[in-house]
Amino acid sequence: DVVMTQTPVSLSLAIGQPASISCKSSQSLLGTSGKTFLNWILQRPGQSPKRLIYQVSKLYSEVPDRFSGSGSETEFTLKISRVEAEDLGVYYCWQGTHFPLTFGSGTKLEIK
Amino acid sequence: QIQLVQSGPELKKPGESVKISCKASGYTFTDYAMHWVKQAPGKGLKWMGWINTYTGKPTYADDFKGRFVFSLEASASTANLQISNLKNEDTATYFCARATEGMDAWGQGASVTVSS
Repeated sequence: DVVMTQTPVSLSLAIGQPASISCKSSQSLLGTSGKTFLNWILQRPGQSPKRLIYQVSKLYSEVPDRFSGSGSETEFTLKISRVEAEDLGVYYCWQGTHFPLTFGSGTKLEIK
Repeated sequence: QIQLVQSGPELKKPGESVKISCKASGYTFTDYAMHWVKQAPGKGLKWMGWINTYTGKPTYADDFKGRFVFSLEASASTANLQISNLKNEDTATYFCARATEGMDAWGQGASVTVSS
């Protein structure tokens, strides 16, 4: 199975500060279609996960543009340009290129 | 708007069975497959598998072969997860999620507690 390693485990940031979360995969996530199925989701406390980014860098329509995704092959990054209070929760990367689909262990973002 | 509404919490004894439902609305149910994801208390997410909502064919991750069954009531736009011979380690919240390029819509989760 593809292992997804996220760092850091947790972040404590003040509102307005930038955030960066790393996600590394044990195998290349570039698929035979030429697409890279690396995605990011956010799970706020007590809620179900919500979509953020798909295929490395494509934001879903409702996601603020302070979020961005980048990377290729085995190394990926989620960035928040300026953290806001509503951004708290656990961020997960997950890959859909290889069976079985696998998730990172999550990065908890706390607001100072 | 797209919604996935799951059934309510369940409290079961070891050895019993449980069936969780996921009712979709706001789109054509058979156009998108459905994933199932497990989250044990205080833990991360684990993919259980998915079901092709057009053909009804399920695909299970290795850890979820045997006691877990994905099924459909397509006329009711509903996907189901049945777990038989429940064990303590099945205590978790189970999510359904629509399969697109990512998982673009999630149910609210269905809690299953297994306790004697």
